[in-house]
Amino acid sequence: SYVLTQPPSVSVAPGQTAMITCGGTIFGSKTDWYQQKPGQAPALVMYDDSDRPSGIPERFSGSKSGNTATLTISRVEAGDEADYYCQVWDSGTAHVLFGAGTKLTVL
Amino acid sequence: VRLVESGGGLVTSGGSLRLSCATSGFPFSSYSLSWVRQAPGKGLEWVSSISSTGAYIYYADSVKGRFTISRDRATSSVILQMNALRAEETAVYYCARLQLLGSGWGCDFWGQGTLVTVSS
Repeated sequence: SYVLTQPPSVSVAPGQTAMITCGGTIFGSKTDWYQQKPGQAPALVMYDDSDRPSGIPERFSGSKSGNTATLTISRVEAGDEADYYCQVWDSGTAHVLFGAGTKLTVL
Repeated sequence: VRLVESGGGLVTSGGSLRLSCATSGFPFSSYSLSWVRQAPGKGLEWVSSISSTGAYIYYADSVKGRFTISRDRATSSVILQMNALRAEETAVYYCARLQLLGSGWGCDFWGQGTLVTVSS
């Protein structure tokens, strides 16, 4: 089975750029990203590797190189502090797979 | 779009619990739905999905044979019947709308979750 690998934590100062990686994505499969703030349900912030849902700031962008997807947050704000999860869909089994999550800390 | 889970609570190991997720704000019969859980302090774990018609159902290996997902068109709800519960399945259980996002499936809307506590 596939395992999506994320760094446990990323720290960045306000105004700087945060990059959160997700390795081991399924070849040919697209990656989605979710933001989860403490005590809240997850929220979709990126889909299809690099598409933003309505209402998500342009500071959020996504990319993929090989089997690693990256969520980039530019001009990081205190309100971006959250856990971020990558997710892929395994077309072979129709199972949804999540990465272990990355805690973004804004210094 | 709204998803509201209910049915969580305290149950002893080996017991059963039935979760319900009431949906509104979108055509219920047009969307697939999923259950995703999150143990305290841990990450997200997909549990099960059901297609828009109910014809296709999928389970994580960890719950196959013990959990049953279904949908009720009359109440626009998705149900998760959980049997033979284990202590390690203590978690917040989220209901999410599963949507074809571009070329892959993902969860575009989530409920607030319901807490299931399994005591040993």
